[in-house]
Amino acid sequence: EDQVTQSPEALRLQEGESSSLNCSYTVSGLRGLFWYRQDPGKGPEFLFTLYSAGEEKEKERLKATLTKKESFLHITAPKPEDSATYLCAVAGGGADGLTFGKGTHLIIQP
Amino acid sequence: DTAVSQTPKYLVTQMGNDKSIKCEQNLGHDTMYWYKQDSKKFLKIMFSYNNKELIINETVPNRFSPKSPDKAHLNLHINSLELGDSAVYFCASSYQAYNEQFFGPGTRLTVL
Repeated sequence: EDQVTQSPEALRLQEGESSSLNCSYTVSGLRGLFWYRQDPGKGPEFLFTLYSAGEEKEKERLKATLTKKESFLHITAPKPEDSATYLCAVAGGGADGLTFGKGTHLIIQP
Repeated sequence: DTAVSQTPKYLVTQMGNDKSIKCEQNLGHDTMYWYKQDSKKFLKIMFSYNNKELIINETVPNRFSPKSPDKAHLNLHINSLELGDSAVYFCASSYQAYNEQFFGPGTRLTVL
């Protein structure tokens, strides 16, 4: 069974204070690792897809990286509008949707 | 220009009732999904469906059934609602099974 563990569960940063979120996974045949952002009362918003170890993707202040066992979401000089829950998910060998982690609730204080 | 839409946004009903949630996507995707997000915000797959195959998560009670009138729609029917069915339900779609999925805004179901 595919499993995804995210840490920390919650993170509070000052504006401009860079940090990283962790996503550890076990999957039988990784087809893709996905990062999403979810704001309160809304659906998850797609951020990145990573397919193989060593791959990196960037978007504004966010950078996602992937190894064979984990992925990191690096947030550089965050702003209050980056506050959200960040979800990690994997697509494994079965065609039965994504397996999600429980998310990291990120708060950026001005 | 909404990509994945769901109706209704909120649904409040009594135990034992039957209800439906509608989902439509205008992305031209082949695969659609239903997820349940519980009170602890944990997202779990319920169904994945394309025009050839329906895959059901084995933990989903058979009171839940997806119905797809065409490729752009996947509705969720729930019979004999129970208190434990209260949650937020998300529809999603993707081009193929292993591609990124795009989510709807969610339907908050409250069973009294």
